[in-house]
Amino acid sequence: LAKTTQPISMDSYEGQEVNITCSHNNIATNDYITWYQQFPSQGPRFIIQGYKTKVTNEVASLFIPADRKSSTLSLPRVSLSDTAVYYCLVGGSSGSARQLTFGSGTQLTVLP
Amino acid sequence: NAGVTQTPKFRVLKTGQSMTLLCAQDMNHEYMYWYRQDPGMGLRLIHYSVGEGTTAKGEVPDGYNVSRLKKQNFLLGLESAAPSQTSVYFCASSYLGQATETQYFGPGTRLLVL
Repeated sequence: LAKTTQPISMDSYEGQEVNITCSHNNIATNDYITWYQQFPSQGPRFIIQGYKTKVTNEVASLFIPADRKSSTLSLPRVSLSDTAVYYCLVGGSSGSARQLTFGSGTQLTVLP
Repeated sequence: NAGVTQTPKFRVLKTGQSMTLLCAQDMNHEYMYWYRQDPGMGLRLIHYSVGEGTTAKGEVPDGYNVSRLKKQNFLLGLESAAPSQTSVYFCASSYLGQATETQYFGPGTRLLVL
């Protein structure tokens, strides 16, 4: 299983763009990169997923360089409600979702 | 559409007692999962199920048993609770169990073993 490394914590201010980088040096060819968000006392919630280049949805963008050894979650113009733990996961597409590993995640704190 | 629900929300047990955590989903998902989350840590997979009547071990299965008698329900049992099992337990489900697929999580069950 590909191991991921993320910063333990990050602080930002409302209205700023936040970029959280995840390292996954031993990512396998068929692995996808998925990000989840977790608020206190709640279960994780899917944010975005990608395989290469750039993916964008209504809440975030995911940038993946050509070597795929890292990825960056970008949250545009964060608000106080974006304060949460963000997890980067790497897993294959061959039914190995059950092997997904959640690391310690990145605690993002948005300040007023 | 309630999604994934968990019962109970909170429970206190004494060492050696037993209990069952119930997870229910109304999305007709095939795959279901039980995770535990300790303070300041990520989620670790305990057991999972790829369909009714089937279960399999995850990363940390010792001390737990599971059953999937109905497609919509996934039960997690602790036969003899230990303080090391104090944790928050999350249930999740997904349609096909692919890594490219979203897992939907329940609100969690907080368990304290004294």
